[in-house]
Amino acid sequence: EAQVTQNPRYLITVTGKKLTVTCSQNMNHEYMSWYRQDPGLGLRQIYYSMNVEVTDKGDVPEGYKVSRKEKRNFPLILESPSPNQTSLYFCASSKRKVETQYFGPGTRLLVL
Amino acid sequence: SQQGEEDPQALSIQEGENATMNCSYKTSINNLQWYRQNSGRGLVHLILIRSNEREKHSGRLRVTLDTSKKSSSLLITASRAADTASYFCATDAFALSEGNQGGKLIFGQGTELSVKP
Repeated sequence: EAQVTQNPRYLITVTGKKLTVTCSQNMNHEYMSWYRQDPGLGLRQIYYSMNVEVTDKGDVPEGYKVSRKEKRNFPLILESPSPNQTSLYFCASSKRKVETQYFGPGTRLLVL
Repeated sequence: SQQGEEDPQALSIQEGENATMNCSYKTSINNLQWYRQNSGRGLVHLILIRSNEREKHSGRLRVTLDTSKKSSSLLITASRAADTASYFCATDAFALSEGNQGGKLIFGQGTELSVKP
């Protein structure tokens, strides 16, 4: 089944404790992206990747890192999480850039 | 800054009525997409309309695009209670700026649609 998976789905952590949210797609898509969703702000793009080893900043990249070593995986890294990074995070992929996006189920992150 | 902005923010209608949502954007685009999100879940793609298209249909959905006004509308005809969800438009940032590769996708804040049985 074609899908985008994210792990973990729920995470509670404390300020400053590094964490990684994984994202994987099995559709051989070139484009992958991370978004955060906050009430009243809609979805905001954090980082995107056009292909392996090609990443670029979205609208809200501060406090996040990404890597794209393999085509199928695009992990989101929070080196030192802060409470303002409490949010609902979505990973998405598409065959090519800015075409139809396939979204993962989301990761709810709470930073205390 | 938000490229796409939906209007209205919330819409409540009765089953069987039509629902119209609007999206405005600021820069030139290659395409505009509409997505649906059920509460707290991942977004699901509904329809993509390219900048050289003016109207597109998919089942009960009709999307229009007016590039001169930088706006799009999503019409859901004969709505059902199951259409209750949030609807988002998304646009690509066509113009390259600050060295980015033109891969940004910008979502609006969404319209919450409630369809009452």
